[in-house]
Amino acid sequence: TQLLEQSPQFLSIQEGENLTVYCNSSSVFSSLQWYRQEPGEGPVLLVTVVTGGEVKKLKRLTFQFGDARKDSSLHITAAQPGDTGLYLCAGVQSYGGSQGNLIFGKGTKLSVKP
Amino acid sequence: DTGVSQDPRHKITKRGQNVTFRCDPISEHNRLYWYRQTLGQGPEFLTYFQNEAQLEKSRLLSDRFSAERPKGSFSTLEIQRTEQGDSAMYLCASSHPNTGELFFGEGSRLTVL
Repeated sequence: TQLLEQSPQFLSIQEGENLTVYCNSSSVFSSLQWYRQEPGEGPVLLVTVVTGGEVKKLKRLTFQFGDARKDSSLHITAAQPGDTGLYLCAGVQSYGGSQGNLIFGKGTKLSVKP
Repeated sequence: DTGVSQDPRHKITKRGQNVTFRCDPISEHNRLYWYRQTLGQGPEFLTYFQNEAQLEKSRLLSDRFSAERPKGSFSTLEIQRTEQGDSAMYLCASSHPNTGELFFGEGSRLTVL
């Protein structure tokens, strides 16, 4: 069983469309991070959310942390081909988790076609 | 370049051979992590160090795997008697003591034939 479930697993859209990807869990997390990974490269941190209900914006990307700190979403407005990549959410569990053990979801593979 | 660097980037080996990967973290980061990632999966935690102390190891880290960080700077991950199932991308990351945010290297891709 995956602790962090990401959906959808794959997403293929046209340039200019909007999209939302989700990261869900039955566990509470002290923080959640979103990463973007390109083929053959390591993940690159986009944002960290720590407070329930928090919303953070990074240009056309909007990140939200659920009130109960069990889920998060990433919304991209007017997607561009440069947004193509694997989007990963990762978190540290509030209870029973280790500070060193950042748990990753399987990721959402996004393809934006021109 | 002051990011996390990993060496080698690619390694092809025959089953049964030993391999070693090296990771040089960002210099002021005291925590260093090893993750493994296979195709279609997110990174899976293997182990992490705070300075030279190995604080946690995953059950994924069998007896054939050993990681060291002898002087609290660079780290090595050795896999003995490699198996085909060890084929994966091995990712190293380091984090700043205050922010805890991880910065990943580009990974070392292992192919076991």
